[in-house]
Amino acid sequence: LAKTTQPISMDSYEGQEVNITCSHNNIATNDYITWYQQFPSQGPRFIIQGYKTKVTNEVASLFIPADRKSSTLSLPRVSLSDTAVYYCLVGPNYGQNFVFGPGTRLSVLP
Amino acid sequence: NAGVTQTPKFQVLKTGQSMTLQCAQDMNHNSMYWYRQDPGMGLRLIYYSASEGTTDKGEVPNGYNVSRLNKREFSLRLESAAPSQTSVYFCASLGFPKRIRLGYEQYFGPGTRLTVT
Repeated sequence: LAKTTQPISMDSYEGQEVNITCSHNNIATNDYITWYQQFPSQGPRFIIQGYKTKVTNEVASLFIPADRKSSTLSLPRVSLSDTAVYYCLVGPNYGQNFVFGPGTRLSVLP
Repeated sequence: NAGVTQTPKFQVLKTGQSMTLQCAQDMNHNSMYWYRQDPGMGLRLIYYSASEGTTDKGEVPNGYNVSRLNKREFSLRLESAAPSQTSVYFCASLGFPKRIRLGYEQYFGPGTRLTVT
């Protein structure tokens, strides 16, 4: 199982772009990189997933370098409602034993 | 389409009591999971079920048992609750939505907040 390392916390201001980097040095060939968002008292919610290069959806972008040993979640123009914990998860699509790290607690300030 | 549902939402137990947490999904997913989340911590996998009829241990299985009753339902049982099992318990299922090309997504329930005194 590929373990991940993320910053424990980050602060940002409304309207700024936020980049959260996750390290996964022992990622396997068939592993995907997935990011989840969790608000207090709720279950995690899927944000974005990628395998290599760049993926973009309506809420975020995910940048993955060629060696895939790290990934960066980019949140454009954050708002107060983006204050949450963000988890980086690495595993294959048939993988069942998912390992969540402690995540990154993002605080967006006015 | 309710997604993943969990019951109860809250529960208080005394040490030594037993209880079963219920989880159901209506998305026809094969794989289901039970996690626990302690305050300020990430989620830790207790048990998972890759398909109906199979279950496997995760990172922290001690003190728990599970049953994959059918494809929809996956229950978690505490036979003799201990204060160390005070936590929020999340159930999840794994799907392959078309909007994620070749990828997958875990869908989480709202959680059960359990306190053992």
